[in-house]
Amino acid sequence: DSGVTQTPKHLITATGQRVTLRCSPRSGDLSVYWYQQSLDQGLQFLIQYYNGEERAKGNILERFSAQQFPDLHSELNLSSLELGDSALYFCASSVEAGENTEAFFGQGTRLTVV
Amino acid sequence: AQTVTQSQPEMSVQEAETVTLSCTYDTSENNYYLFWYKQPPSRQMILVIRQEAYKQQNATENRFSVNFQKAAKSFSLKISDSQLGDTAMYFCAFIFFGNEKLTFGTGTRLTIIP
Repeated sequence: DSGVTQTPKHLITATGQRVTLRCSPRSGDLSVYWYQQSLDQGLQFLIQYYNGEERAKGNILERFSAQQFPDLHSELNLSSLELGDSALYFCASSVEAGENTEAFFGQGTRLTVV
Repeated sequence: AQTVTQSQPEMSVQEAETVTLSCTYDTSENNYYLFWYKQPPSRQMILVIRQEAYKQQNATENRFSVNFQKAAKSFSLKISDSQLGDTAMYFCAFIFFGNEKLTFGTGTRLTIIP
């Protein structure tokens, strides 16, 4: 158990819909990262938050947004979903933002868009 | 931009043998960390080993060790006495101080044959 909790584990939704993925980081970790992994692909960095503020942005679509709340949990919002958004979405957390010596991953949320 | 390259999409080896997975990276930075993550069929991302670029000594974790060649920008993973439970996707990843994202390679699918 990495200590990072993601909910839900599985999500099936229709095209055009909007979903919210939730991540609770390890206790004490201020930094949260979101990654997308399509089938048999590597991990694509989406966005990072540190102590409530956006710190870095990767190849995140405009239809996607995220935030980190005062209690440090984070949510990734995906809207106007398309078939191609089907993927495994990972959240990771670490203690420091700049000196990220290790990122602990949640178990992922598998999103299926039908 | 930083890139991570894993040139072996798939590998297989007999149980109890030794296998080496290759990874090269490209960066102009001097201070950074390198990681190997394992992703078994459960899809959980598990940190296997990490290497600080400023350390000349190669990292070792039980049966897992790395060959870090900083000048060549090479970071290979050696698995000794391979076990069936080592069957997984293995991702090489990189982060440097000041950057906030963990950049992953495309992965190597390793199969341990009984």
